Amino acid sequence: GDSVTQMEGPVTLSEEAFLTINCTYTATGYPSLFWYVQYPGEGLQLLLKATKADDKGSNKGFEATYRKETTSFHLEKGSVQVSDSAVYFCALRANSKLTFGKGITLSVRP
Amino acid sequence: DGGITQSPKYLFRKEGQNVTLSCEQNLNHDAMYWYRQDPGQGLRLIYYSQIVNDFQKGDIAEGYSVSREKKESFPLTVTSAQKNPTAFYLCASSRYPGESNTGELFFGEGSRLTVL
Repeated sequence: GDSVTQMEGPVTLSEEAFLTINCTYTATGYPSLFWYVQYPGEGLQLLLKATKADDKGSNKGFEATYRKETTSFHLEKGSVQVSDSAVYFCALRANSKLTFGKGITLSVRP
Repeated sequence: DGGITQSPKYLFRKEGQNVTLSCEQNLNHDAMYWYRQDPGQGLRLIYYSQIVNDFQKGDIAEGYSVSREKKESFPLTVTSAQKNPTAFYLCASSRYPGESNTGELFFGEGSRLTVL
């Protein structure tokens, strides 16, 4: 079945550091890929998405590129801020369901 | 404003009691979902519904029940048969994937259930 694997966390960075969060997937067909973010005590919000190979999703300084050859969708940001502290989920949609990774907690120190 | 409303935000239950979590959306979405979130386990799908009066089990449906009598409402009942119900419950909705959208989910703010 479909699955999403995220790197183990948590991740702690200093403000203005470079961020990479790895995500790989297994799916039949051609899934759409997503990154969701969850701030403390809240539900999930869509951060960015990509629908086909080589698409790059971007939002709020975050980027991720749909790599079909490596089945990956790694999340990057050049300079993180304290306000980026949250839980980040990678997800895929290949049919009627969305499959999520386990999430990774990011903490950014001032 | 369009969105998804979950209630209550916090709920306490004694063992052996059934509780119902409310989820309402005014986004005119056809599909609705219930997820359970536990620390270190991500989100796990409990039930989903693609159309009124129809719903399917997700990965962890045992001990839960749902109904979809109206397009905008998808309540979840946590029954006494659920062995470990303490968790954060998230409701979501989406349109069908198509040319104009990728079927991404829109989430409510969640309901935290604690069994005493």
